[in-house]
Amino acid sequence: IQMTQSPSSVSASVGERVTITCRASQGISNWLAWYQQKPGKAPKLLIYAASRLQSDVPSRFSGSGSGTYFTLTINSLQPEDFATYYCQEANTFPFTFGGGTKVEIK
Amino acid sequence: EVQLVESGGGFVQPGGSLRLSCAASGFTFTDHYIDWVRQAPGKGLQWVGRARNKANFYTTTYAASVKDRFTISRDDSKNSVYLQMNSLKTEDTAVYYCARPIPDWGGDAFDVWGQGTAVTVSS
Repeated sequence: IQMTQSPSSVSASVGERVTITCRASQGISNWLAWYQQKPGKAPKLLIYAASRLQSDVPSRFSGSGSGTYFTLTINSLQPEDFATYYCQEANTFPFTFGGGTKVEIK
Repeated sequence: EVQLVESGGGFVQPGGSLRLSCAASGFTFTDHYIDWVRQAPGKGLQWVGRARNKANFYTTTYAASVKDRFTISRDDSKNSVYLQMNSLKTEDTAVYYCARPIPDWGGDAFDVWGQGTAVTVSS
């Protein structure tokens, strides 16, 4: 299963809404997770089961989708949200990750 | 505090071997699988392999790119998982993370990660 994220990078300002998409090469139901990674740090789980918010993750993060098309939305972007985001197929070995989307400051 | 801590990374020549360790604390280690995920410099994340628990017969699964070269084991008495890497190639250069699959969900997302340990394979 191939996971394709777009865009590969996006520039946005604090307070803006950002949407990242992830497409699976075949249907994966809702077996999808989203992670945030900052430079030099381990990934952090944000969302699993496509739309379930992991505990202690701010509610400005949301996920949606099913099958082959998924989105991660960050409402009202905060300074600490500038990072790289990855989707991950979560049901079939080898749990493929998307290529990443870097959210940069405009 | 739920925690995973990796160690053992370093510099090794192509064809060499290295053993990484992942020490767990703050949760019931024997209830959980532990996976390894790596990230080459400037690149994305790649799943490497899994160590299942005793209830699942300590079985392992590997990515095709490391199968037959890497071996994952665990020692429940030490709350630790190990990644033995043999016949290393330059393309194995990466930061290696151990990670715990999130409990109580049928899928395999990773809710706890170690800080990572860097492996460099170069002549």
